Amino acid sequence: QKEVEQDPGPLSVPEGAIVSLNCTYSNSAFQYFMWYRQYSRKGPELLMYTYSSGNKEDGRFTAQVDKSSKYISLFIRDSQPSDSATYLCAANQAGTALIFGKGTTLSVSS
Amino acid sequence: EAGVAQSPRYKIIEKRQSVAFWCNPISGHATLYWYQQILGQGPKLLIQFQNNGVVDDSQLPKDRFSAERLKGVDSTLKIQPAKLEDSAVYLCASSPLEAAPGLISNQPQHFGDGTRLSIL
Repeated sequence: QKEVEQDPGPLSVPEGAIVSLNCTYSNSAFQYFMWYRQYSRKGPELLMYTYSSGNKEDGRFTAQVDKSSKYISLFIRDSQPSDSATYLCAANQAGTALIFGKGTTLSVSS
Repeated sequence: EAGVAQSPRYKIIEKRQSVAFWCNPISGHATLYWYQQILGQGPKLLIQFQNNGVVDDSQLPKDRFSAERLKGVDSTLKIQPAKLEDSAVYLCASSPLEAAPGLISNQPQHFGDGTRLSIL
C-alpha cells in the first residue's frame, strides 16, 4: 500500500462547479499536509499548507484534514478554466521529504 | 523573491551516457531536495541536503546517481550511466530552516520547473 493514495482522474467539470479532490494516507505519523498545483511542463506550486486536523480556507480554495480517518480534501469553489491542472496532495513529518499522491488531473470547461 | 532555478530545462541523451542537472535554490534556503517525477506519478525524493550535508539519500540509486552541494547553495545531480527507466522530470525544491537547536521545524517546500530528461 502506498503511503498516500490519490485517484488520478481525469476529472472534468463545467466552469463554476464546485470541485472536490481527495486523498487518503496510511502513515499516522504525518503531521503536515499540502496541496500542490502543477501545470503542464511546470513545477508543483504550493496551494495549501496545513498542520494536523482541521480546515483552512484561502480564497476559492478550502483544505480539510481528518486525521482520525486519514483523509485529505481540497475543495475549489466557482472553478475556472485556469484551474485546469494536475493537483498533487502531499504529507510529511517535520523536516522530512514530502510523500506525494499520484495527482488528479482536473479539466474545467468554459 | 526569485524562485528555484533549474537548468537545463530539457535534455535528450542515449542510454549509458552521463548527464548533469543544476539547481539554485531560493536565497537563504538551507534545505534542498531533489525529486524524480515519472510521467503520471507524483514526485519521489532522491536526496535531501541541509546546508552542504546529506540528510536523506536512502532512495538515491547510488550505483548511478550522485549529488553534491559543496558550498551549501547550488547543487548538481548527476546520472552515470543513464538507463531507459531514468526518463523523468528531475525537480529541485528548497525550504528555509528556522528552528532552535535540536528542534526540527517544517517549512513549505518550493519547487523549480524541473529538467525533463529523455533517454533514447
